[in-house]
Amino acid sequence: DAKTTQPNSMESNEEEPVHLPCNHSTISGTDYIHWYRQLPSQGPEYVIHGLTSNVNNRMASLAIAEDRKSSTLILHRATLRDAAVYYCIPHKASGTYKYIFGTGTRLKVLA
Amino acid sequence: ETGVTQSPTHLIKTRGQQVTLRCSSQSGHNTVSWYQQALGQGPQFIFQYYREEENGRGNFPPRFSGLQFPNYSSELNVNALELDDSALYLCASSLDPVGPGLNIQYFGAGTRLSVL
Repeated sequence: DAKTTQPNSMESNEEEPVHLPCNHSTISGTDYIHWYRQLPSQGPEYVIHGLTSNVNNRMASLAIAEDRKSSTLILHRATLRDAAVYYCIPHKASGTYKYIFGTGTRLKVLA
Repeated sequence: ETGVTQSPTHLIKTRGQQVTLRCSSQSGHNTVSWYQQALGQGPQFIFQYYREEENGRGNFPPRFSGLQFPNYSSELNVNALELDDSALYLCASSLDPVGPGLNIQYFGAGTRLSVL
């Protein structure tokens, strides 16, 4: 199972973009990269996933390095509601489909 | 479409007791996964059920067991509770994936278990 490295915490001002990095240097060629976030007192919430190409959805963008050893989750305009712990998770395309969570990045958004 | 619901929300037990936690999966989902989240840590995978059969297990002892019912709801049972079992227990449901990378898991808010 691929291991991930994320900053323990980050801060951002409200309305500004946030770039959350993740290193996953041991990722295998068929592992997707999933991002989840966990708001206070809630279960994790799906944000976005990708394999090789950059991806966009209504919540965020995902930029994946060409060698796939790292990725960056981009929140284009942080809001107070985006304050959460963000997890990047290399995820196998087949098998048990379990998620292996690290300790994630705690994002603090300043008003 | 209803989301994943878990019950109870909070529970207090004493060491040595047994506990059953319940999860109703999202409508149309046939796969349920259970996770344990200790304070300040990421969730740890316990096991997964797919169409009423266990489909993988994490590094948890046999006193952690589960069931999935024909309506795809699920139970997590923990016997002989220990103090270290105090944690947030999360249930996640997912669709039978059509293709790779599509097994998005939808989590409930969890059950907070305290073992005294």
